[in-house]
Amino acid sequence: DAGITQSPRHKVTETGTPVTLRCHQTENHRYMYWYRQDPGHGLRLIHYSYGVKDTDKGEVSDGYSVSRSKTEDFLLTLESATSSQTSVYFCATHREAGELFFGEGSRLTVL
Amino acid sequence: AQSVTQLDSQVPVFEEAPVELRCNYSSSVSVYLFWYVQYPNQGLQLLLKYLSGSTLVKGINGFEAEFNKSQTSFHLRKPSVHISDTAEYFCAVLGGGTGFQKLVFGTGTRLLVSP
Repeated sequence: DAGITQSPRHKVTETGTPVTLRCHQTENHRYMYWYRQDPGHGLRLIHYSYGVKDTDKGEVSDGYSVSRSKTEDFLLTLESATSSQTSVYFCATHREAGELFFGEGSRLTVL
Repeated sequence: AQSVTQLDSQVPVFEEAPVELRCNYSSSVSVYLFWYVQYPNQGLQLLLKYLSGSTLVKGINGFEAEFNKSQTSFHLRKPSVHISDTAEYFCAVLGGGTGFQKLVFGTGTRLLVSP
């Protein structure tokens, strides 16, 4: 395992409130990713990072922002949560070609 | 751009029976192909991967997959399944180009193994 810890694991919040999910890794991997998983859609990439302070958008980035101030931490922020952002969020890190290591997920419910 | 199609959303099978989970991809360049498994309430873990070389790839837990370039397929097989194989399986493709490459996932196939 790549030592990936996500927090919180479960969160219920209300529409319009800000939410931050944290991903912490202990393997010093360069690349980090945030995916969301929804029934019928598989995993879709939200944002990714290829180094400290280096981030870019994935295919479903609207409504999300990220920050990476140090190698081990990658934060995903929902500035104003909406019901459409109810999902399971997975953080992943990358060691070699395509072998992503995943955290156990953060289940977010927006009421 | 790469894309992945998993043809079956759910596959029910009896214990000790063989199973095949289908995956087709589209890409204009050479690709790397992967199968990931997700057990209930867990993250994804790598089952197997094809990068180059032999088209028959063996993975963990007795699974194998065959890369077929002419049919753009990468089907996952197991000759005899166990109850513990009940999980969701994701096929994924990574472009072989230079620079950052995004791993694109299929929508998943839920394998349901019953006694």
